[in-house]
Amino acid sequence: GEDVEQSLFLSVREGDSSVINCTYTDSSSTYLYWYKQEPGAGLQLLTYIFSNMDMKQDQRLTVLLNKKDKHLSLRIADTQTGDSAIYFCAERSNYQLIWGAGTKLIIKP
Amino acid sequence: NAGVMQNPRHLVRRRGQEARLRCSPMKGHSHVYWYRQLPEEGLKFMVYLQKENIIDESGMPKERFSAEFPKEGPSILRIQQVVRGDSAAYFCASSPIGTRVSAAKNIQYFGAGTRLSVL
Repeated sequence: GEDVEQSLFLSVREGDSSVINCTYTDSSSTYLYWYKQEPGAGLQLLTYIFSNMDMKQDQRLTVLLNKKDKHLSLRIADTQTGDSAIYFCAERSNYQLIWGAGTKLIIKP
Repeated sequence: NAGVMQNPRHLVRRRGQEARLRCSPMKGHSHVYWYRQLPEEGLKFMVYLQKENIIDESGMPKERFSAEFPKEGPSILRIQQVVRGDSAAYFCASSPIGTRVSAAKNIQYFGAGTRLSVL
């Protein structure tokens, strides 16, 4: 079945770049998503990428997709304290979203 | 344009009671999805509904759980005779279109969730 894997924690210094990685198993996935969840809050869609793309950039966010290795990454440039959150990778399987467990991004001053 | 509204935000129930979770989709959206998030885990799909129809309930537990999306009013996720294992955050999402369309048209927008605690 489908499975999405992420590291549980990532710690970076303020101002550095954060790279959050994700692997997925469903090769037929057409879209992959990154969502952000702040404490006690809902899920905010950050960005998504279509499977025929290698890269997508949106301001401080860069998404890289390696379809051969089924590897997705989210790079946040110039990480700020407001970026502290849990970041979820999700793949689309028909209309369902299959989710990773989330990566908690910790910002060190 | 209000987003997806879920209420209550927090719900406390004793074992054996019923829990009713409500979700009002974004204006113009006719597709609703319910997900459950256990502590330290990602979301798990439960059910997909359109107005007056259950399209896919493959993620719903076979007993005690039910969902509806009536012609008028919010979608309701109902849990009867709650047990401690039902404690979780329940998220609702809505989209304007359902299946097999481009992501640009089928982004799922999420509510803030209902956190259910069973004592």
